[in-house]
Amino acid sequence: DTGVSQNPRHKITKRGQNVTFRCDPISEHNRLYWYRQTLGQGPEFLTYFQNEAQLEKSRLLSDRFSAERPKGSFSTLEIQRTEQGDSAMYLCASSDTGTGGLNEQYFGPGTRLTVT
Amino acid sequence: GQSLEQPSEVTAVEGAIVQINCTYQTSGFYGLSWYQQHDGGAPTFLSYNALDGLEETGRFSSFLSRSDSYGYLLLQELQMKDSASYFCAADFISNYQLIWGAGTKLIIKP
Repeated sequence: DTGVSQNPRHKITKRGQNVTFRCDPISEHNRLYWYRQTLGQGPEFLTYFQNEAQLEKSRLLSDRFSAERPKGSFSTLEIQRTEQGDSAMYLCASSDTGTGGLNEQYFGPGTRLTVT
Repeated sequence: GQSLEQPSEVTAVEGAIVQINCTYQTSGFYGLSWYQQHDGGAPTFLSYNALDGLEETGRFSSFLSRSDSYGYLLLQELQMKDSASYFCAADFISNYQLIWGAGTKLIIKP
């Protein structure tokens, strides 16, 4: 078990470009979450998958954001037409469906996005 | 709505005990988690309370009082490595997500 991994770790892009991030959860976890975090704030929920089904998406999430988990394993988060306000750390977490599964989430190291 | 409040910063001395409080809105509340995050690192799970009372895990304990709509994280025998931000996060019956507080930065002085 190598934990949750995310790629790339850092991404610098110009405003208006599209970016895609990848998350590989812990292999036996079927729950996967995406968050966004800015300095001095807690993680902000973006979306949640159980296996390949996207069961919840933040109402605050612009339609420029889309996420997939096609085979119920890894997931991708795409941001289209990036804006400077998208600059943040994007965190992925996974958990199992046992007791406390929602609450005991395991986070990856994050992808730091800078939009110039 | 669903929101959590915690102090932005707490300062304590190495070897001492510190308590970090978290209050939450009650509508649909189910349970309270605590996470630790070092600068530049990812959040790591510390504890979870769904029932009233104290949960102890080594030097860290977490407490929940549903009647008072609040919980706290208690850190004992503080070590310099405990310097980090601590987040409370709540789950609510109506959805699959955790709602996070803004975090408490714990500063430990020698």
